[in-house]
Amino acid sequence: AQTVTQSQPEMSVQEAETVTLSCTYDTSESDYYLFWYKQPPSRQMILVIRQEAYKQQNATENRFSVNFQKAAKSFSLKISDSQLGDAAMYFCAYRSPNNNDMRFGAGTRLTVKP
Amino acid sequence: DVKVTQSSRYLVKRTGEKVFLECVQDMDHENMFWYRQDPGLGLRLIYFSYDVKMKEKGDIPEGYSVSREKKERFSLILESASTNQTSMYLCASSSTVKYGYTFGSGTRLTVV
Repeated sequence: AQTVTQSQPEMSVQEAETVTLSCTYDTSESDYYLFWYKQPPSRQMILVIRQEAYKQQNATENRFSVNFQKAAKSFSLKISDSQLGDAAMYFCAYRSPNNNDMRFGAGTRLTVKP
Repeated sequence: DVKVTQSSRYLVKRTGEKVFLECVQDMDHENMFWYRQDPGLGLRLIYFSYDVKMKEKGDIPEGYSVSREKKERFSLILESASTNQTSMYLCASSSTVKYGYTFGSGTRLTVV
């Protein structure tokens, strides 16, 4: 079964600075989907960004971008110009095209300091 | 606005009680999921369903069952609640695998 590892339980960043959250995964598949989800204190999980493995171009959504390294099985999230509202738990997730379910990492708690 | 609605935000139940957690989605999604979220463990899949009356066990199905009688509703049942089932429960739905999930806002269950 695929596994997802987030090695940073907690991270902090100064407001307006840039922070990178790490994620690695283990798979033998060549085609798959990767996601970053944000869970603020309200508990509502929100999709931040999505990457399709067959696309070499890194996904970008406004201040959020990823560094997808397929050979290294790495999928990091970069948050630029951090805002107080970015403070949340961030989960990395893997989804196989052959299975219906999604595999999640343990999460990284991001604190944004004013 | 599309939604996944979980019927309770907080629940407190006694050991041995039968507990029902309800989840309803309005997006006509085929797939629905129940996850359990615990600190340091991330989200772990309990059960999922890819069609009405169909269900598949996830990684931690023991002590749980599910019901999907209608496409929009997926219920998680704790047959006899135990204190180790105190947790956050998240319901999600999705259409095809290339897209992510839409999540409910979670139910924090405490078993005393």
